Amino acid sequence: LAKTTQPISMDSYEGQEVNITCSHNNIATNDYITWYQQFPSQGPRFIIQGYKTKVTNEVASLFIPADRKSSTLSLPRVSLSDTAVYYCLVGYNTGGFKTIFGAGTRLFVKA
Amino acid sequence: DVKVTQSSRYLVKRTGEKVFLECVQDMDHENMFWYRQDPGLGLRLIYFSYDVKMKEKGDIPEGYSVSREKKERFSLILESASTNQTSMYLCASSFQGLGSPLHFGNGTRLTVT
Repeated sequence: LAKTTQPISMDSYEGQEVNITCSHNNIATNDYITWYQQFPSQGPRFIIQGYKTKVTNEVASLFIPADRKSSTLSLPRVSLSDTAVYYCLVGYNTGGFKTIFGAGTRLFVKA
Repeated sequence: DVKVTQSSRYLVKRTGEKVFLECVQDMDHENMFWYRQDPGLGLRLIYFSYDVKMKEKGDIPEGYSVSREKKERFSLILESASTNQTSMYLCASSFQGLGSPLHFGNGTRLTVT
């Protein structure tokens, strides 16, 4: 199982673009990269997932270089409501899979 | 939208009690999971199930058991609650396909006194 390393915390201001990078040096061929967002007193919420290159949805983009040993979650024009903990997960999902959630990155958006 | 519902938001139990935490999902997901979340330790997997009546130990199964009699329901059981099991418990579900993301409930905050 691939372990991940993320910054513990980041600060930003409203309207800025925020990039959070996750390192996963021992990612395996079948592994996907998935990002979750968690607000206090709630369960984590799926944001975006990718396998390689770039993925974009209505809330974020995910950049994955060719060697897949890292990935970057990009949040365009953050607002105060984006203050949360962001988790990067690497793994596949078949019967018997396990997940490793790291400590996540605590993003604090200031006015 | 997938809905994962945990039966209680807050629970207070006494040491030695048997505790049941219930989780129901409405999307016909094959996989279901129980995590606990503690400050500084992140989310840790207790048990998971990839089919009815099937279960697999996660990273910290000691002191817990699970039951999955129906596809939509996954129960976590604390046979004899202890104070070190005071925590936030999160249930999740997913399809069994490659890369399927997890869908979480909002958690049960359990306090054992």
